[in-house]
Amino acid sequence: QLKLQESGPGLVKPSETLSLTCIVSGGSISSSSYYWGWIRQPPGKGLEWIGSVYYSGSTYYSPSLKSRVTVSVDTSKNQFSLKLSSVTAADTAVYYCARHGALRFFDSYWGQGALVTVSS
Amino acid sequence: QSALTQPRSVSGSPGQSVTISCTGTSSDVGGYNFVSWYQQHPGKVPELMIYDVSKRPSGVPDRFSGSKSGNTASLTISGLQAEDEADYYCCSYAGNYVLFGGGTKVTVL
Repeated sequence: QLKLQESGPGLVKPSETLSLTCIVSGGSISSSSYYWGWIRQPPGKGLEWIGSVYYSGSTYYSPSLKSRVTVSVDTSKNQFSLKLSSVTAADTAVYYCARHGALRFFDSYWGQGALVTVSS
Repeated sequence: QSALTQPRSVSGSPGQSVTISCTGTSSDVGGYNFVSWYQQHPGKVPELMIYDVSKRPSGVPDRFSGSKSGNTASLTISGLQAEDEADYYCCSYAGNYVLFGGGTKVTVL
C-alpha cells in the first residue's frame, strides 16, 4: 500500500525558507504514470496547489508562487521536496503532499498533512 | 490565474439532490476535460470524488456525479446523506498548472 508522509520543521521564521520532504513508501516514485505534488491549506481556508514534479525532474508551479517555490525529486531516496522562500505569515498552512495523476487529478494517496507556522 | 468560482455553501435535506457549480474560463475548465472534485471532512485529508469531469474512482458511491458545460463544471450529489456534509473543492488543469476552487460547504439539514 502506497504511503506518503510529510516531514520538516513546524515553525519557520518570517523571511526564511520553508523546507518540507515527502517520503514515499510502498511503491516507487519513478512510476511513469504519476507526478508528485504539493498542496497547502491555510487554517480555515481552501486548498491551493503549489507545484508538482515528475520523476525525471520536470516541474510545474503555481504562477502565483513560482518566484518563491522549488520542488525537487530524489529517486534514490524515493522522496520529493518543497522549498518556499521568503515566507510570511500568509504562508502559514497545512502542507500536503499527494500523488498527482498526469496533472489531471490528485488520487487516493495523500500525506496526512504538516502544519507549518510562520512566526518569529 | 484566479481561483475557480464556487458557491460558499449549499444545503439540502436527506434524500434530496444538491448541485455545486465551479466556474472558470476557457483557459481552464472550458479548455480541458480535466476537472476533478474533492470532499474534505473537518480535520481530514481531501478525498477524490470525481476526475476527468465525470469519472468516479472505485469506491465512490454513484450518488456523486460530475458534468461540464462550457466554462462551468458541476458536482451533483443525489440522495443526500448525513455523511455527505463536508467541504467540496473543484480543481482544473489549466495548461501546465492547476487551479482549485474556493470550496463549497454542503450542509445536510
